Amino acid sequence: AQSVTQLGSHVSVSEGALVLLRCNYSSSVPPYLFWYVQYPNQGLQLLLKYTSAATLVKGINGFEAEFKKSETSFHLTKPSAHMSDAAEYFCAVSDPNTGNQFYFGTGTSLTVIP
Amino acid sequence: EPEVTQTPSHQVTQMGQEVILRCVPISNHLYFYWYRQILGQKVEFLVSFYNNEISEKSEIFDDQFSVERPDGSNFTLKIRSTKLEDSAMYFCATGGLAGGADTQYFGPGTRLTVL
Repeated sequence: AQSVTQLGSHVSVSEGALVLLRCNYSSSVPPYLFWYVQYPNQGLQLLLKYTSAATLVKGINGFEAEFKKSETSFHLTKPSAHMSDAAEYFCAVSDPNTGNQFYFGTGTSLTVIP
Repeated sequence: EPEVTQTPSHQVTQMGQEVILRCVPISNHLYFYWYRQILGQKVEFLVSFYNNEISEKSEIFDDQFSVERPDGSNFTLKIRSTKLEDSAMYFCATGGLAGGADTQYFGPGTRLTVL
């Protein structure tokens, strides 16, 4: 079975500082991995995804994530936080062999301090 | 950019009542999903739907739940007799491809409150 753990339900960074949101997964097979962002009163918007191509994935809004199989991690980073990055971030995993359902982490709420 | 839309944005109902949550998928998508998020908990998979039938469902998706595409456009989730524990945010998602690699596009959600 697949599962995702997001360490840190709340993360605060100063504007301009590095953003690091952690995601670890559990999977019996090489998974597909996703990061979604949710702004207030909006749906989940895809930031980036890993589907067994390059391990360093670049997404929208300057975010990127690196798939590290040895660490079973897919941490999300952004070099310099912007006020508009304040949102809820969700990591998700799917098993390419068993179906389409996504397994989500509990989410990390990012606050950007001016 | 095409979007998934959901109505209503907020639904308040009495325990035991039936509710229908509606989703309009992105027009050329073939796969449809419902997820829910109880406050403070994970987003959980409920059901996937393809070719007018359920392709996967979770343990949460019991006999009280049903899904359909009544008119070929809307995708609905019905809860027959709501319970207090059904209070959650319900997300519809749609995708074009099978196998998990395809992105699932999510709607803004319907917040269901059962009193």
